[in-house]
Amino acid sequence: DAGVIQSPRHEVTEMGQEVTLRCKPISGHNSLFWYRQTMMRGLELLIYFNNNVPIDDSGMPEDRFSAKMPNASFSTLKIQPSEPRDSAVYFCASKKAGSYEQYFGPGTRLTVT
Amino acid sequence: AQKITQTQPGMFVQEKEAVTLDCTYDTSDPSYGLFWYKQPSSGEMIFLIYQGSYDQQNATEGRYSLNFQKARKSANLVISASQLGDSAMYFCAMRRVPGNNRKLIWGLGTSLAVNP
Repeated sequence: DAGVIQSPRHEVTEMGQEVTLRCKPISGHNSLFWYRQTMMRGLELLIYFNNNVPIDDSGMPEDRFSAKMPNASFSTLKIQPSEPRDSAVYFCASKKAGSYEQYFGPGTRLTVT
Repeated sequence: AQKITQTQPGMFVQEKEAVTLDCTYDTSDPSYGLFWYKQPSSGEMIFLIYQGSYDQQNATEGRYSLNFQKARKSANLVISASQLGDSAMYFCAMRRVPGNNRKLIWGLGTSLAVNP
């Protein structure tokens, strides 16, 4: 079975541009998580969905960030407008109901210049 | 507030020896779960092991074991017979078990280098 799929793997953009990160969770998993990882702050949960519904978005830094999950097999994280401080690795993870572990995607390395 | 502390930013171990990575946690919840994840240089996060707060025995998964000391609020990861491929960042995390909150609280990680 395929794992969590994220695209793009790398993104370089200029400040002020819109960035969209994509995630396909593992089939059959009903929880999806978006994380951001930086050297300074470590791994931070931005938002998570359960059965396509956002449950906790308290980690979303500000209104420039938005996330959607239109169906069970797809989610997006959008940053508009992007800023240099948004540079980080963004991970998507999914989890099956009743299990403990979250399965992570390979991450998207975002660089905003 | 819940918190995970990993006090060792970097560790070295000789190949084939055992190593312990420290993790302490702070929570007032009676029921919780503790995780360890591995992040090699390629970047992906790999689940290693899970311990529930009410589990009677320490969790083990192959060469990984979790030394769970509830009274001391510690959940140290023990890697036996270290291999070169164990060189990576290791993260400890915690979640509340009751309720609908699947959020994990993460430590800042420990970098492990295995020397040949």
